[in-house]
Amino acid sequence: DAGVTQSPTHLIKTRGQQVTLRCSPKSGHDTVSWYQQALGQGPQFIFQYYEEEERQRGNFPDRFSGHQFPNYSSELNVNALLLGDSALYLCASSLDRGPYNEQFFGPGTRLTVL
Amino acid sequence: GESVGLHLPTLSVQEGDNSIINCAYSNSASDYFIWYKQESGKGPQFIIDIRSNMDKRQGQRVTVLLNKTVKHLSLQIAATQPGDSAVYFCAETRNSGGYQKVTFGTGTKLQVIP
Repeated sequence: DAGVTQSPTHLIKTRGQQVTLRCSPKSGHDTVSWYQQALGQGPQFIFQYYEEEERQRGNFPDRFSGHQFPNYSSELNVNALLLGDSALYLCASSLDRGPYNEQFFGPGTRLTVL
Repeated sequence: GESVGLHLPTLSVQEGDNSIINCAYSNSASDYFIWYKQESGKGPQFIIDIRSNMDKRQGQRVTVLLNKTVKHLSLQIAATQPGDSAVYFCAETRNSGGYQKVTFGTGTKLQVIP
């Protein structure tokens, strides 16, 4: 059973460009959350998708958007990239069963903005 | 504001000794706490969790202690092994609009000396 997978593993972009990151959740999971992890910091919650809708959002600007597909996979889009967007982007999946749902993380996508 | 932080950014421990990693949280509404281990190049991996109605929970070689009076969480690792070397994050979860809101701390790097 494959766990959470993310693509690409590494990505280099320049300021002002747009990027799309992809995530496939663990088999059987229906909820996908995205996090941004700056070097030496803990992950910061971006948003969460469930049933193809964004149902929670952290303190991130509208440049960060996402999508969830019927097969529960998800994309994170970032427009007008800034140098400060350089980070490891983590996807976590879970099964919505109640108030406490264990999240399983993927290996992340390392984004470098030059 | 709300925050989850750690007292020690780096902890060096001799192999075979016990490790204690501490975490302070500020949001008294948090009702679920999780410890994650993150190895280089990987996403965070669930270690152990504890609900706010408990003060201690044990797993295999790990114990989590929760002191709600002083808003303090600790992770104890018994007989630390080289494979335990990683960055450890505590995360707090609280109900926000009917969903889990997860906030990570900044992490503690555990170095195991052979």
